[in-house]
Amino acid sequence: ELKVEQNPLFLSMQEGKNYTIYCNYSTTSDRLYWYRQDPGKSLESLFVLLSNGAVKQEGRLMASLDTKARLSTLHITAAVHDLSATYFCAVDRLETSGSRLTFGEGTQLTVNP
Amino acid sequence: DTGVSQDPRHKITKRGQNVTFRCDPISEHNRLYWYRQTLGQGPEFLTYFQNEAQLEKSRLLSDRFSAERPKGSFSTLEIQRTEQGDSAMYLCASSLEGDYGYTFGSGTRLTVV
Repeated sequence: ELKVEQNPLFLSMQEGKNYTIYCNYSTTSDRLYWYRQDPGKSLESLFVLLSNGAVKQEGRLMASLDTKARLSTLHITAAVHDLSATYFCAVDRLETSGSRLTFGEGTQLTVNP
Repeated sequence: DTGVSQDPRHKITKRGQNVTFRCDPISEHNRLYWYRQTLGQGPEFLTYFQNEAQLEKSRLLSDRFSAERPKGSFSTLEIQRTEQGDSAMYLCASSLEGDYGYTFGSGTRLTVV
């Protein structure tokens, strides 16, 4: 059974600081996703990482993928309050019947002024 | 196209009642997924359709739950004899076979009292 673990689960940081969220998964996968969720809202797609060594950046967020280590990271640079949200990683594995996402527990990020 | 639509946004029901939710996917997407998200957790896969065929059901989907996608377009998720443990956000997502993007709807928040 595919398991996805994130750490930390809770992160409180000051504006202007850098930090990294880690996502480990238990078996080989085909794609890795990062989503953002604001309270009471749905999931907003941030990044899709398709291959080993993939790196994507958008604003203050950068995601990377190491398929050999089964590890993805989401790095936050010079955090601002607007980044406060819950961040999920999810792994997509192709099955004979199709594909579906398995999510981590999420990292609740609070950026304090 | 306005994305994935879910109706209703919120539903409060008494324990033991039946409820039905609707999801309208992006029109050209042939794959449709239902997920359940409880407070503080990541979304958990419930079931998946390709066109009108239900190809996979999670063990989480007890016999009180049934999902349909009769014409390969919109889908319904029915919960019979609701229990307090059914209280959650029910998320629908759609995708196109061969593509790696998933689009999530805003969700239906169910509260069983």
